[in-house]
Amino acid sequence: NAGVMQNPRHLVRRRGQEARLRCSPMKGHSHVYWYRQLPEEGLKFMVYLQKENIIDESGMPKERFSAEFPKEGPSILRIQQVVRGDSAAYFCASSPPPGTSYEQYFGPGTRLTVT
Amino acid sequence: LAKTTQPISMDSYEGQEVNITCSHNNIATNDYITWYQQFPSQGPRFIIQGYKTKVTNEVASLFIPADRKSSTLSLPRVSLSDTAVYYCLVGDSNSGAGSYQLTFGKGTKLSVIP
Repeated sequence: NAGVMQNPRHLVRRRGQEARLRCSPMKGHSHVYWYRQLPEEGLKFMVYLQKENIIDESGMPKERFSAEFPKEGPSILRIQQVVRGDSAAYFCASSPPPGTSYEQYFGPGTRLTVT
Repeated sequence: LAKTTQPISMDSYEGQEVNITCSHNNIATNDYITWYQQFPSQGPRFIIQGYKTKVTNEVASLFIPADRKSSTLSLPRVSLSDTAVYYCLVGDSNSGAGSYQLTFGKGTKLSVIP
């Protein structure tokens, strides 16, 4: 059973370009979460999605950032008109339907560098 | 979510038992305590979760006193490969939407020395 897959692992973008980060959850998981981690910091929650539904986007910046989890295909985190401050590691996690466990399964992350 | 406080860093020699304590004075009745481990350039990995007293799995033990205002992650006989950042998280896993919005602090950076 493959784990959470993220691609690309490394992404370099110039200021003003768009960044697209992809996440395929573990098989059987219908809940996806995106987190951002700055150097020497803990992960910060961005958004929680289920298939075709954004459940909680309270951690997403109001502008330039969007996320989707279509019926078919991976979840996408899109950052438009990137700025240097967007440089960070972006992690995706997935979990099975709601239960009593607080366990989320994380992918290896995408390291975004904005030049 | 309750705020957690843990040491910024710890050093240990190989083969020793390591105990990392986390304070969570404002823990709520429904909150669980969960620990994650993160290696450099990797995503966090779930280690253990508990509500009260003691929980043990193949990786670690979690000790929670009766007042639940703190918890201690215990790693038996650490090896070099246990060098990582360890995060203590406290939250309600039984919310209506299930488990989501994990809140990570800066964690404890454990360095295992040969």
